[in-house]
Amino acid sequence: KAGVTQTPRYLIKTRGQQVTLSCSPISGHRSVSWYQQTPGQGLQFLFEYFSETQRNKGNFPGRFSGRQFSNSRSEMNVSTLELGDSALYLCASSKQDRATGELFFGEGSRLTVL
Amino acid sequence: AQKITQTQPGMFVQEKEAVTLDCTYDTSDPSYGLFWYKQPSSGEMIFLIYQGSYDQQNATEGRYSLNFQKARKSANLVISASQLGDSAMYFCAMGGTILTGGGNKLTFGTGTQLKVEL
Repeated sequence: KAGVTQTPRYLIKTRGQQVTLSCSPISGHRSVSWYQQTPGQGLQFLFEYFSETQRNKGNFPGRFSGRQFSNSRSEMNVSTLELGDSALYLCASSKQDRATGELFFGEGSRLTVL
Repeated sequence: AQKITQTQPGMFVQEKEAVTLDCTYDTSDPSYGLFWYKQPSSGEMIFLIYQGSYDQQNATEGRYSLNFQKARKSANLVISASQLGDSAMYFCAMGGTILTGGGNKLTFGTGTQLKVEL
């Protein structure tokens, strides 16, 4: 069974640019969540999508956005990158729809902003 | 708001020994779930164990058990017979349950770096 796949695994951007990260969930999973992990702030919830609708949102500025497609694949976008956006971005999928179930995480996309 | 506190930044344990990783939590939700995840240096978060707030029995999964003390708001992870491959960062997390709904949003602690030694 294929796991959660995130692309790209590593990327380097400069301040002011934008970036799009992709996540393919486990087959059959309709919930996709995104988390940001930094040494200073730890793991923070960004947002969750379920059946193409954003269901939950964390406390991040509007520069962080996401979407989910009909095949449950998800993308997140960060516009006008800042140095502080350098982080490991983790995607997680779950088949649970009404509860916090077991989340299956990908290996993450490591973003460096110069 | 939910809060998870892990007070041990780093722990060492000898191979084959048991180790307890501490986790305390705070929430006003009447129903919640507690999770433990392992993060090796590769970065992937690996699910270890889950405990629902209304579960009467402590959860166990192989060598992992969760010592759930609701009155103390603690959810410590116990790893028995430690192995070298257990060396990793361990995160305690909290989320909702089927009673609270709201989807899959976890609040994580700051983690404990476990090092298993020969």
